[in-house]
Amino acid sequence: KAGVTQTPRYLIKTRGQQVTLSCSPISGHRSVSWYQQTPGQGLQFLFEYFSETQRNKGNFPGRFSGRQFSNSRSEMNVSTLELGDSALYLCASSPLWDTEAFFGQGTRLTVV
Amino acid sequence: DAKTTQPPSMDCAEGRAANLPCNHSTISGNEYVYWCRQIHSQGPQYIIHGLKNNETNEMASLIITEDRKSSTLILPHATLRDTAVYYCIVLIQGAQKLVFGQGTRLTINP
Repeated sequence: KAGVTQTPRYLIKTRGQQVTLSCSPISGHRSVSWYQQTPGQGLQFLFEYFSETQRNKGNFPGRFSGRQFSNSRSEMNVSTLELGDSALYLCASSPLWDTEAFFGQGTRLTVV
Repeated sequence: DAKTTQPPSMDCAEGRAANLPCNHSTISGNEYVYWCRQIHSQGPQYIIHGLKNNETNEMASLIITEDRKSSTLILPHATLRDTAVYYCIVLIQGAQKLVFGQGTRLTINP
């Protein structure tokens, strides 16, 4: 059974650009959530989607957005990148909501 | 904000049981105690979760006090591969939203 797949694994972008990260959940999983990990703030919840609907949102500015497709794959978008957006972005999938979450290996974004 | 308190670091000898404490004194009746770990440079890995009863799986045991204000994660026979940061999280029923604290950095020593 394939795990959670995140693409790309590494990304370098320039300030002001935008970026789209992709997450393919485990087959059959309907909940996809996103997290940002930085050395200073640790792991922080961004948002969670279930059946194409955003059900929960963390405390991040509107530059951070996401969506989920009918096949449960999810994308997150960050517009007008800032240096502080440099982080490891992790995606997790779950069969339902309050069950075990399976994390991908993350996308490491560097903003220069 | 995280609703849990954990010691920042712990050490344990290989082969011994590792007991990781967690305080969650403000936990509500509809909130799970949820544990995961992160080994360096990898995504977090689910370990176990429970509501009020003790739970056991192939990785660990979770002991929750009767008042639910604290819990202990037990790794029965720690190995070097168990060296990781362990996160104790309070998870609201019906919401896949993990609010991470700083976790406990567990080091297993040979």
